[in-house]
Amino acid sequence: SQQGEEDPQALSIQEGENATMNCSYKTSINNLQWYRQNSGRGLVHLILIRSNEREKHSGRLRVTLDTSKKSSSLLITASRAADTASYFCATVPNSGGSNYKLTFGKGTLLTVNP
Amino acid sequence: DAGVIQSPRHEVTEMGQEVTLRCKPISGHDYLFWYRQTMMQGLELLVYFNNKAVMDDSGMPKDRFSAKMPNASFSTLKIQPSEPRDSAVYFCASSVDSTIEQYFGPGTRLTVT
Repeated sequence: SQQGEEDPQALSIQEGENATMNCSYKTSINNLQWYRQNSGRGLVHLILIRSNEREKHSGRLRVTLDTSKKSSSLLITASRAADTASYFCATVPNSGGSNYKLTFGKGTLLTVNP
Repeated sequence: DAGVIQSPRHEVTEMGQEVTLRCKPISGHDYLFWYRQTMMQGLELLVYFNNKAVMDDSGMPKDRFSAKMPNASFSTLKIQPSEPRDSAVYFCASSVDSTIEQYFGPGTRLTVT
């Protein structure tokens, strides 16, 4: 079953604009990760944020985490046509056991128009 | 490093046939994951290994699917007999730890007619 749920399902913007995608999850987490998938390709890891972190940056990416609301957001600034892809959030549960595994949402399809 | 390698990239087969998907993880990665991606279900974890041992196969239909990792550099996912509902993209991923970033292969697109 899906733990994370991205919102919106699809987003279309112009090059140069910022893109914001949101992820909500249901149970307590160890960390949350964002991945990108270009059409016909495998997923590529973008950024990991731990449950005790609130914000993280990587280049043009900014991720926030609000554990009280069980939500995260991914901001891509100054978007480019090459950012066109599907973006997935994935969570690792904080179950206290040893069987940690990623659970992926269904993704946000981002289209950046030149 | 060549990254995670999967073969074949595309497979078209008839219902009832046996299908074997192959994966070579990144050297030094102790964790190997098999996922299935469909439009309806999204990305589902089928099974994962740690040091060649199955850690969790709760997502895998065991009546027709089997996964093996005979050595640290090779894994197979076998479907026998295949059914049209098995049509999907199958990804293999590897990692040094199950809780951090995973490295995905390019996937195998399976079509069962």
